[in-house]
Parts: sequence; C-alpha cells; structure tokens
Amino acid sequence: QSVLTQPPSASGTPGQRVTISCSGSSSNIGSNSVNWYQQLPGTAPKLLIYSNNQRPSGVPDRFSGSKSGTSASLAISGLQSEDEADYYCAAWDDSLFWVFGGGTKLTVL
Amino acid sequence: VQLVQSGGGLVQPGGSLRLSCAASGFTFSRYSMNWVRQAPGKGLEWVSYISSSSSTIYYADSVKGRITISRDNAKNSVYLQLDSLRAEDTAVFFCAREYYESSGYTRFDYWGQGTLVTVSS
Repeated sequence: QSVLTQPPSASGTPGQRVTISCSGSSSNIGSNSVNWYQQLPGTAPKLLIYSNNQRPSGVPDRFSGSKSGTSASLAISGLQSEDEADYYCAAWDDSLFWVFGGGTKLTVL
Repeated sequence: VQLVQSGGGLVQPGGSLRLSCAASGFTFSRYSMNWVRQAPGKGLEWVSYISSSSSTIYYADSVKGRITISRDNAKNSVYLQLDSLRAEDTAVFFCAREYYESSGYTRFDYWGQGTLVTVSS
C-alpha cells in the first residue's frame, strides 16, 4: 500500500492527451514539492518532472506537471509510442521519509 | 554523472549482503544520496537517505534495524549493508543522487543502473 495514490493504469492513442493523478496528504504533497519519474521496462527510473512543474533538460515539453493542495497531476500531450512506460510520483514526507506512488502503467494503444 | 552499482546477488534468508554505488562526474561530497528498491513487478520503495557529510541518516520503517547506509567521500562511494535478509527483501536496489535547490525543493536527479538482490534458500 503506497502512501501516494496513483491509478494503476492509463492508456491513450497516439496524439492524444493523457493525465495521471497522484493523491497524497498534508504531510507530503501538501507541504512539499512533487517529482515524477518515468521508468521504461528493465531500466532505472528517470527524472521527468521536478518541483511540481519543471522539466529537466532534454525532457520534451509534451510532458507537464501541476500540483494543487494534496494532489498532483502529470499530463502527456501528443502521446507517442515511446511514452509507453511506468510513471511514479514522489514527494518528501515531513515524517522524515520519501514516499512514492504505486506507479501507473501507461499503454499507447 | 555516473552511478555504477555492484554487490547484488543470491543470499539465503538470514544472510547479509553489501551493496556499493560508485559515483563519478560530480563532486560526490556535496550531495546527499539515497537507496530505493523495487520488488519484482512492484513499484518503487524508498529505503534510506544519507546526507553529504553522513551527519544525517534516515531509514524506511520496513528496513530499520536490518539495513545500514554509509558513505566514503574519499572513495566517492555510498554503501548499503543488508542484514537479516528475508524473502520479501528480494528486489532491485537503486542508488540515487539527491539534488537540492535553493528553494528547498529536492529531487533524485541521477540513478544507478540497479542491482538485484535475491533472498532464497
């Protein structure tokens, strides 16, 4: 049971816009920033979005993040086949540990 | 920036293992480090944190008392000692660099390739 709640799966067709939600509490998302990670099969996670809505260099602007209260969202526009991966949200919890969402498996139909 | 991990393998229940993560391409002594694990087919689970000077250490409740994190800034390496291992500790373990912004926001910006720990008799 993950501290942050994500839908286990999401899907879309090429070119569509998909959003993935992440719900937490006042001790994590409510008081700290949210990061998103993309994990392709058999590889290490890769930082996708940090500080709620910032993209690291090299991440396409098709990826965007937002946060409101104790929830956050990752949006992917112009969906491409290479976006098929697992996506995780994460935040620091004021109880002195990092928490992750359970992950969302994105399928491009 | 590179984080190269070593030390995984097969170990019997109750056994021990030491994981290593060697850093290069940045000033290792300026960064906090973390370990994150992923059980087969499962999500990411944070395991442990160590500050740049080793003065602050945190552990997840699920591993507290059985895992010890340490670092050697002279060798640009961070370690994870795993003791009293259980079948449920079977996972891929990743080391990750933690980057702090002046705003106070923080993130795992670089990850090791992962190393598999299998606990089985």
